[in-house]
Amino acid sequence: QKEVEQDPGPLSVPEGAIVSLNCTYSNSAFQYFMWYRQYSRKGPELLMYTYSSGNKEDGRFTAQVDKSSKYISLFIRDSQPSDSATYLCAMGGGSQGNLIFGKGTKLSVKP
Amino acid sequence: DADVTQTPRNRITKTGKRIMLECSQTKGHDRMYWYRQDPGLGLRLIYYSFDVKDINKGEISDGYSVSRQAQAKFSLSLESAIPNQTALYFCATSDLGQGASTGELFFGEGSRLTVL
Repeated sequence: QKEVEQDPGPLSVPEGAIVSLNCTYSNSAFQYFMWYRQYSRKGPELLMYTYSSGNKEDGRFTAQVDKSSKYISLFIRDSQPSDSATYLCAMGGGSQGNLIFGKGTKLSVKP
Repeated sequence: DADVTQTPRNRITKTGKRIMLECSQTKGHDRMYWYRQDPGLGLRLIYYSFDVKDINKGEISDGYSVSRQAQAKFSLSLESAIPNQTALYFCATSDLGQGASTGELFFGEGSRLTVL
């Protein structure tokens, strides 16, 4: 079992839809959970960062961490065509000195 | 200008050639990283450096070497390129350990390498 599992998609939704992106992980020592967004031909950029369990909201984006289930989610409300990108989960902490990335989910929001 | 600059952005080369990818940063960060991105495999860490005198192997270092010429410069070399090293390469920086504080990585725009 890989340390971080992420469905690569692709995921296609109509504009205005609610999008749910998810990752599961196996290392219970992870404490830092992040979502990066990567536009085509660009490097990834940090979108959301969460420490330990709980929810974090930033505008249309909500990140959730459930450490008991080893499951993290990113929700996008009122999705826009500009949200079309690849979303990568990443996590680290504890004895793991470097971030472990998921494979990324490619999202397309159609007008 | 970008905070993390990679050169070249695109390179096509032949099997057996030596290739160097360069990265420079103006963020003042001590920590620098080289990643490789392949479709279906995500981002994988090749090498990382926590300061000029500190170089560490990542998940997939075989076939690669690095040099940290200064705090702001970190280069990746392929001594004898092979076709399965065809990939998108990213340099990244951070100001703290990835497991501490924000752990945010700042990425360059990538160097696309094709080995024929």
